Amino acid sequence: DTEVTQTPKHLVMGMTNKKSLKCEQHMGHRAMYWYKQKAKKPPELMFVYSYEKLSINESVPSRFSPECPNSSLLNLHLHALQPEDSALYLCASSQGGLAATDTQYFGPGTRLTVL
Amino acid sequence: AQSVAQPEDQVNVAEGNPLTVKCTYSVSGNPYLFWYVQYPNRGLQFLLKYITGDNLVKGSYGFEAEFNKSQTSFHLKKPSALVSDSALYFCAVRDTGRRALTFGSGTRLQVQP
Repeated sequence: DTEVTQTPKHLVMGMTNKKSLKCEQHMGHRAMYWYKQKAKKPPELMFVYSYEKLSINESVPSRFSPECPNSSLLNLHLHALQPEDSALYLCASSQGGLAATDTQYFGPGTRLTVL
Repeated sequence: AQSVAQPEDQVNVAEGNPLTVKCTYSVSGNPYLFWYVQYPNRGLQFLLKYITGDNLVKGSYGFEAEFNKSQTSFHLKKPSALVSDSALYFCAVRDTGRRALTFGSGTRLQVQP
């Protein structure tokens, strides 16, 4: 089973709202990722967690706050977003400690619209 | 720095014909290469990867890719295209020096019936 689940599928929020995106995997993977994808563009890495510790932050604005409560769950907390933050947010996971050969498996994404 | 180029924004092919989606890469160390497919409003699905060994890699849904070190290419191929193969295809590279995937710009494959 190579399934990564994400909730919600769609989210509409105002610029003053606080919301969270959730990602879950039960493959025993120890690395989890957040990507942002704008329309017709490739995914852009935001954050990487390895063994529940934040390993990479690609200079993402502080209005995005990641959290990894346990090895199966990854959250992305959103606060005071801008309309340009509207995008598809993808979660991925891979097996071990960020080995270059590991395959990343992606979830279906959350389509975020900021009004 | 590592990078990936997909020189074609779109590839059109008739159903039943062979297809090729091109990818070239640049890395400082050993390249680890991946192909993903994305259907509209969906996440990325893993197709195949090259780590080492045989230059011809076989993957899901009848796809294969040929690694060519001298040309720094990793083209995706399928002997006979299906209409259902129509989607956005991403090539990605990862080397031992960087822990994240770098994606190409994507190629839209359109298979006509």
